[in-house]
Formats: sequence, structure tokens, C-alpha cells
Amino acid sequence: GNSVTQMEGPVTLSEEAFLTINCTYTATGYPSLFWYVQYPGEGLQLLLKATKADDKGSNKGFEATYRKETTSFHLEKGSVQVSDSAVYFCALIDGGPDTGFQKLVFGTGTRLLVSP
Amino acid sequence: ETGVTQTPRHLVMGMTNKKSLKCEQHLGHNAMYWYKQSAKKPLELMFVYSLEERVENNSVPSRFSPECPNSSHLFLHLHTLQPEDSALYLCASSQNQGQTLHFGNGTRLTVT
Repeated sequence: GNSVTQMEGPVTLSEEAFLTINCTYTATGYPSLFWYVQYPGEGLQLLLKATKADDKGSNKGFEATYRKETTSFHLEKGSVQVSDSAVYFCALIDGGPDTGFQKLVFGTGTRLLVSP
Repeated sequence: ETGVTQTPRHLVMGMTNKKSLKCEQHLGHNAMYWYKQSAKKPLELMFVYSLEERVENNSVPSRFSPECPNSSHLFLHLHTLQPEDSALYLCASSQNQGQTLHFGNGTRLTVT
């Protein structure tokens, strides 16, 4: 089935630094790709998504571009804040009409720690 | 307010206890999910209900028993759990299968 691989964390940055969290995928076709974020003590929430190749998802200063050439969907932010400290999950859709069911498959998550 | 509410937030239970986790969604979604989140492991999909019918059960031990009485409510009944079942249990919903998930804040379960 489809899968994603994320870089291991934690990623430790100072405030206003540039952020990249790598995510690569293995998939049949071009499934939708997602980034979810989990703040301490909370569930996951959708950060951004891209539904087809070359699409760019963006939200709250974060961006990710669906690149089929490199099978990647790296998360970037130009200037991180302390409040961005969280765990970030890359995900994609697996399954379809052949399996009778679609589901989101998540990466292992990357913890981001931003210090003042 | 996430639109998906889970209770309780924290639960401590002995190995011989029986307890239930509750999830309620106010989003009008048709699919609901249980996930298990353990330290240093990928998020594990446990159960999926679509239009109140179970459509996926990922080889979860029978000591976990889901129930979906209607499209807004999902339960996870627990009995004779093991210490390794201690984890954060997350409920999620989506409009339909394979679409954007909306998560609750989870129940932190500790089995003693």
C-alpha cells in the first residue's frame, strides 16, 4: 500500500529560523498529501494539503509542494515561532475502489522544538 | 472547540476493569475512526465506521470492542487490558472515507 517516510526528530531551532521537515512518499498514482500538526495535549489537526502533483498547500506561514519527480512533500516555514513547537505528521491516502476503502496513512511524526 | 469531543480526557484502569471511551462529533460526518498513539510508534488505525457500519478492523485484539450506535457517536469498550495498551486513544471523523480527518483531543489511558 501507499506509505510516507518522515525525517526523525526532534528538530531544534531558534525563533525566526527557517524550517524544513522532510517527507517522501511511496504510492500508486498521485494520492492527496497532507500535513497534520499536534500541539501538546491535543489531537491532530490539519495544517495543509495538496490534492494533485505540483500543487502547493499553505497555511499559517507553512508551505509544502507536491513534487512527483522527487516523490516528496517537504514542509517549510520561513520564520518559526515558539508557538510552532509541536509534532508534525505527513500523511497520504491509501486504498480506493479496488480495496473498497480509503484511509489516511501517517508518518511517524517529527517533533519541532523552537526556543526564544 | 474541535467539533469532535472525547471523554474522559484521562483514564487509569486496572487490568481486570471494564471501561468505555466515548467520542461525539458535531460535524455531520459519515465516517468515524479510532486511532492508537503510542510513544515512538506511528499512529495506528484501529477501527473505522462508515455510515455506522464497521468497514475496517486492523487486527485489533478482542479486548477492544467498538460500538457505533449512530453517525454522531462512537465508543471503544475496554476489558482485561494489558499495560502495553497504555497510550493516547484518538477519535476522528471525516465527511466520507479518505477525506480530511478531524480529531478529538484524545483519551490518555494508563493500564496498571
